[in-house]
Amino acid sequence: SQQGEEDPQALSIQEGENATMNCSYKTSINNLQWYRQNSGRGLVHLILIRSNEREKHSGRLRVTLDTSKKSSSLLITASRAADTASYFCATDNQAGTALIFGKGTTLSVSS
Amino acid sequence: DAMVIQNPRYQVTQFGKPVTLSCSQTLNHNVMYWYQQKSSQAPKLLFHYYDKDFNNEADTPDNFQSRRPNTSFCFLDIRSPGLGDAAMYLCATSPTGISGNEQFFGPGTRLTVL
Repeated sequence: SQQGEEDPQALSIQEGENATMNCSYKTSINNLQWYRQNSGRGLVHLILIRSNEREKHSGRLRVTLDTSKKSSSLLITASRAADTASYFCATDNQAGTALIFGKGTTLSVSS
Repeated sequence: DAMVIQNPRYQVTQFGKPVTLSCSQTLNHNVMYWYQQKSSQAPKLLFHYYDKDFNNEADTPDNFQSRRPNTSFCFLDIRSPGLGDAAMYLCATSPTGISGNEQFFGPGTRLTVL
């Protein structure tokens, strides 16, 4: 069963703008991961945030986690055309042995 | 570079004709996963191997089978592909199966069923 739901489904912005994507999930988690998928390619891990963390940074990426609201957000600052991709949040399945991915947000950055 | 390799990148098969997709890894990871991803959808886990232990998701059709002859290789067999099986098939690995491990994905095999 699906755990994460991303919002919005699609986002179009100009280069240099910030992009914010949100993920909501249903059950308690130990951690949450974000992945990027370029068109027709495999997924690439971006960042992992643990349930006891509220915010995490990696380069131009900022991830927040609000366990009380069961939600996470991914902020990409100063976006570039190369950031054009689909972004997925993922949480563990009940057994903690595999990931369940949300539907993803498709980001389009135009120059 | 250590990586996850999938072959072929594109596979065309006929309705009902068995097909095998392959995945290999040089990361020496214990866990290997197979996902199915249909257009504009989330990757959906089909099954995974923790070492030699096979773990099938409850809703994975019997039409899908997998083999892992050794640590490096894992195969996805579709016994009788239907039109609904056309999708991108993603292989991924993880050092261990425990919570919080990053997964490393191959580039995927896009399957077309005629």
